[in-house]
Amino acid sequence: ETGVTQTPRHLVMGMTNKKSLKCEQHLGHNAMYWYKQSAKKPLELMFVYSLEERVENNSVPSRFSPECPNSSHLFLHLHTLQPEDSALYLCASSQDQGFPEAFFGQGTRLTVV
Amino acid sequence: AQKVTQAQTEISVVEKEDVTLDCVYETRDTTYYLFWYKQPPSGELVFLIRRNSFDEQNEISGRYSWNFQKSTSSFNFTITASQVVDSAVYFCALSEGVEYGNKLVFGAGTILRVKS
Repeated sequence: ETGVTQTPRHLVMGMTNKKSLKCEQHLGHNAMYWYKQSAKKPLELMFVYSLEERVENNSVPSRFSPECPNSSHLFLHLHTLQPEDSALYLCASSQDQGFPEAFFGQGTRLTVV
Repeated sequence: AQKVTQAQTEISVVEKEDVTLDCVYETRDTTYYLFWYKQPPSGELVFLIRRNSFDEQNEISGRYSWNFQKSTSSFNFTITASQVVDSAVYFCALSEGVEYGNKLVFGAGTILRVKS
């Protein structure tokens, strides 16, 4: 148990659906991250939030929309996804954006059909 | 640019064997951090170790040991007397300094299978 909780653990959605991934951390951290892990690819950083402000968006398509309502919660809103978006989506948090050590959740396994 | 290379895609060993996972990195910075994470089948990445660029001392933690060599830009990870529970994907990662956003860049991972 790392203190970072993601829900749901598994999600199957059609290309026309809208769904949201949720991440919650109870570590008192100020920075939160979304990563994408596709088969046979290195983990890709998608978004970085620091003190609830988005500080980085790594050229992620607009069909992925993050939201950070407070420092403990992070969402990833999904709409009109493509099959190639199927992946494990991992949330992480760190003390601050400038602090390199990150703690990860268990991920949401997303399948787009 | 930052780059982390884990040349071993998959390693299979028999229980109680020692195994070394290789990690080679490239960085433009003199101040950086290196990490190893373990990803068991459950999915989460479990932090194993962080090493900063100024500390080249090798570290041992139980059956785990790490060999950091700046001269060869390597940060290798050895598991002694491997156990079935060590089966997982292991990721090496690099984070450069604040100037570069402290972003974690991961290697492709090494799948370790330990057979009984």
